[in-house]
Parts: sequence; C-alpha cells; structure tokens
Amino acid sequence: QSVLTQPPSVSGAPGQRVTISCSGSSSNIGRNFVYWYQQFPGAAPKLVVNQNNQRPSGVPDRFSGSKTGTSASLAISGLRAEDEAVYYCAAWDSNLNGLFVFGTGTSVTVL
Amino acid sequence: DVQLLESGGVLEQPGGSLRLSCEASGFTFSSFAMNWVRQAPGKGLEWVAVISASGDRAFYADSLRGRFTISRDNSQNTVFLQMYSLGVEDTATYYCGRGNIAGVPAAPYYWGQGTLVIVSA
Repeated sequence: QSVLTQPPSVSGAPGQRVTISCSGSSSNIGRNFVYWYQQFPGAAPKLVVNQNNQRPSGVPDRFSGSKTGTSASLAISGLRAEDEAVYYCAAWDSNLNGLFVFGTGTSVTVL
Repeated sequence: DVQLLESGGVLEQPGGSLRLSCEASGFTFSSFAMNWVRQAPGKGLEWVAVISASGDRAFYADSLRGRFTISRDNSQNTVFLQMYSLGVEDTATYYCGRGNIAGVPAAPYYWGQGTLVIVSA
C-alpha cells in the first residue's frame, strides 16, 4: 500500500491537456522533492520530471510538474498518442528513515 | 551514454538466496548513488534500497531491511543486491537506477532494463 495516492486512470483526446494528481503528506511531498516517472508496457521507467518541476534533457516541454503543500501534479499538454503510458509520482519520506515511496500509478489513455 | 545492465535474475526456490548485479558504463560510477527498485508482475513500482557513491551509507525499504543488502564495487563499476530468504512475494523485475548526486538519498534518474527474479517451488 503506497503512501502516495494517484487516480487509477485519466484520458484525453489528442491535443488536449490532462493532469495527474499525487496526494501525499507532510513527511513526503510536504517537505521533499517530487519526481515523476513514465513507463511503457514491458519497458523500464523513465524520469520525466525531476525535483518538482525540472525536465531532464530530452523530455518535451509538454510535460510539466508542480507542487503545492502535500500534493503534486503532472500536466501533459498537447496530448499525443505516444504519451499513452503509466505515470508514477515519487518522493522521499522523512518519517521512514530515508524511504523512497512511489505513487499508485496512473494509466494515461489517449482517446 | 549512461548504460546500466542488470543480471542475475533466475528461477529460485522459496527460502533461497540470490545476488543481482548491475554493471554501469558511460559515466564516472564512483560519483553517483545507486538504487534498486522492483516491480512485481502487473503491479506498481517498489523502491528497495539506495547506496551512496562511496558505499558508506545505505537505506532500505522497511519491509526488506534485514533480508536484502545493497553493496557496490567501484573498481568494477557494479552495484549488487544480495537477497536472502526469498519468498514468492519477491518475484519481480528488479531495476537498478542511478541517482544524480553522490550522497543519499538520491532518486533514480537513469534506469537499467531490469532483470527478472521468479521465486517458485
């Protein structure tokens, strides 16, 4: 059971903007950076947002991260078919001796 | 390019032990912390452990502490995960992930392709 809660699925038409929420607590999102990972079926995860809102090299600027209090969000604008994947948020939890926790994962479907 | 190649995944019996390896290339291995993350079939990601660049500090998931040990050999550019008392619940693909800093904690930034561990009688 994860301490970071995400909606199981979100969907949108090509070109639309979708947002994935990630709800945590004061011991994780509330005081530490949030990371977002993208995973295609049968593939390894890939970091798409680093430290709340930084995009690693090569990640399109359609992906943006934000954080407010104990919640975080990943927005994908100009949705494309190739964005269809599962997205996980993650953060360190200061209450758990350095434990790194992942969210429950959100499946993004492009209609 | 950063490359991480995991190995050691096999079919193992319950109660057995296994050591996974992750060989790194394309960067100065001794400058970055390293993680292990696992994913059971059809399930989400579960962080396992992280070790600092020098190997002097390590953190573990609470549920795995005592059964799993992370270590590294900077002369071989390799990080290891020693697993003991394996149970069916340890069946998963195990990924190594490089952090972006030397110290811990350091979130996985680059990932390997994973190695599959199956625990079954």
